[in-house]
Amino acid sequence: KQEVTQIPAALSVPEGENLVLNCSFTDSAIYNLQWFRQDPGKGLTSLLLIQSSQREQTSGRLNASLDKSSGRSTLYIAASQPGDSATYLCAVPAEGGANSKLTFGKGITLSVRP
Amino acid sequence: GAGVSQTPSNKVTEKGKYVELRCDPISGHTALYWYRQSLGQGPEFLIYFQGTGAADDSGLPNDRFFAVRPEGSVSTLKIQRTERGDSAVYLCASSFSVNTEAFFGQGTRLTVV
Repeated sequence: KQEVTQIPAALSVPEGENLVLNCSFTDSAIYNLQWFRQDPGKGLTSLLLIQSSQREQTSGRLNASLDKSSGRSTLYIAASQPGDSATYLCAVPAEGGANSKLTFGKGITLSVRP
Repeated sequence: GAGVSQTPSNKVTEKGKYVELRCDPISGHTALYWYRQSLGQGPEFLIYFQGTGAADDSGLPNDRFFAVRPEGSVSTLKIQRTERGDSAVYLCASSFSVNTEAFFGQGTRLTVV
């Protein structure tokens, strides 16, 4: 059974700092990995999707990397801003294959202090 | 539409009542998913539709929960005889096909009192 772990549960940093959010998963036979952002009381916003054949994806100040063999992904946020404060979740297909059933971590709640 | 739309955004119901939660996926998306998120947890899978049929309903917690997607677009999640433990945010997502990026709605916050 696929399990996803995100540690720490919460993180507080000063504005402008570069930071890395970690995600680990137990079954490395994944088809892809997706990072989401969730604001309080809101739904999930897709940030980046990395296919299993890729090692990283970039979108603006965000860069996500994937190391399937070690069961790890990182989300790098450059020059953090207060507006980046949210919960960040990673998700992988529950049974290695298609996206039909995602397994999520509990998320990392990020607070960027002005 | 521009995104996945869920209605209502909030629902308060009494224990034992029946509720329906609606999801309008992104136009043209064939895959539709329902998840449930409790406070402080990540979303948990409930059911997945490919077109009109439920391809995987293994996440439904018991037979009080049922979902339909009769025309392959809008989906309704139905909960009978609600219990306080059903209180959570119910999230709907859709994707163009099963292996492509999933896009989520804003969720329906269900509170059973």
